[in-house]
Amino acid sequence: AQTVTQSQPEMSVQEAETVTLSCTYDTSESDYYLFWYKQPPSRQMILVIRQEAYKQQNATENRFSVNFQKAAKSFSLKISDSQLGDAAMYFCAPSPETGNQFYFGTGTSLTVIP
Amino acid sequence: DTGVSQDPRHKITKRGQNVTFRCDPISEHNRLYWYRQTLGQGPEFLTYFQNEAQLEKSRLLSDRFSAERPKGSFSTLEIQRTEQGDSAMYLCASSLAGTPGNEQFFGPGTRLTVL
Repeated sequence: AQTVTQSQPEMSVQEAETVTLSCTYDTSESDYYLFWYKQPPSRQMILVIRQEAYKQQNATENRFSVNFQKAAKSFSLKISDSQLGDAAMYFCAPSPETGNQFYFGTGTSLTVIP
Repeated sequence: DTGVSQDPRHKITKRGQNVTFRCDPISEHNRLYWYRQTLGQGPEFLTYFQNEAQLEKSRLLSDRFSAERPKGSFSTLEIQRTEQGDSAMYLCASSLAGTPGNEQFFGPGTRLTVL
């Protein structure tokens, strides 16, 4: 089994500023992927960014980037130039390469202040 | 394709009643998943299908819960003799086997309230 810890239940950021959401996980798998999902209020969960654990280079997707520290089993999400539409719950989810389910953290609720 | 859809979006029922939810995955996706999400928590895995075969079930899925995917397309999740503790958001997701990391696409969920 895997465990996922998101130690920041709530975060806030000023519009246009940068915020970092943290995630640590525990897995015995050698090959896996890591995902950040966003769940806006009353809307469906959508993928923000994906990282392959075998890649040393951190993934980037527009204003979203990750800081992946494999040895520390840490996978943080950085949101640059925060926008009002970034307000949502953010979930970290590792997935074994051969696995068939996601293990989600408890989430971080992000508020963007205009 | 418009993505994963779920029906109904909201369901209010009385304790002891049976309820059934439906999920329609993305058409070319052969994998389908059910998760349960309670307020302030992340989704918890319930069960997963590849085509019509139910390949994995969580211990969270008590004998009051049953899921089917009869033709390998849509799926139903039935809860019998509902209890107040069943109140939650039930999420469906789908994926295509062999895609990197088994990326899953989620539906909007069905919110169940048991009175």
